[in-house]
Amino acid sequence: DVVMTQSPLSLPVTLGQPASISCRSSQSLVYSDGNTYLNWFQQRPGQSPRRLIYQVSNRDSGVPDRFSGSGSGTDFTLKISRVEAEDVGIYYCMQGTHWPLTFGGGTKVEIK
Amino acid sequence: EVQLVESGGGLVQPGGSLRLSCAASGFTFSDYALNWVRQAPGKGLEWVSYISSNTTAIYYADSVKGRFTISRDNAKNSLYLQMNSLRAEDTAVYYCECGGSPNWGPGTLVTVSS
Repeated sequence: DVVMTQSPLSLPVTLGQPASISCRSSQSLVYSDGNTYLNWFQQRPGQSPRRLIYQVSNRDSGVPDRFSGSGSGTDFTLKISRVEAEDVGIYYCMQGTHWPLTFGGGTKVEIK
Repeated sequence: EVQLVESGGGLVQPGGSLRLSCAASGFTFSDYALNWVRQAPGKGLEWVSYISSNTTAIYYADSVKGRFTISRDNAKNSLYLQMNSLRAEDTAVYYCECGGSPNWGPGTLVTVSS
């Protein structure tokens, strides 16, 4: 199975400051069709997860442009340019290239 | 607006069975593959099962293979998960997920306990 390793586990951030979450996969996530199936999900406290980013860098509709995804191969990053209070929660990366689909362990973003 | 609403969870004894349902609306259900994903209390997300739009491809996590069966009824815009031989470690909130939408439903809680 592809292991998805996120860091840090916990990320205290000052409001208005940037935040960055790393996600590394144990194998390349480039699929045979040339696409890279790496998604990012946000789970606010007490809520269901929602997808923020698909295929590395494509923001879902309604996602603020302060969120951006980047990376390639085995190394990926989710960045929040200026953290707002509503961004508190746990963020997960997930690979959809190899079976079984696997999630990272999550990164908890909290306000300092 | 895309909506996914899970149901069918509850308290069941070890070795028992449950059938989860996911009712979908707001999109062309038959065009999309679907997944079941679960989250044990206080834990992260775990993929459970996948079914393609036309049911030709089905996959399971090793942890549920042979015990769970995924199915769908495109005429009823519904996804199902038949869960047999339930174990304590199956206790979780179960979500259905559609790659065509970023939003997940509220999930349904399955508790396996005597």
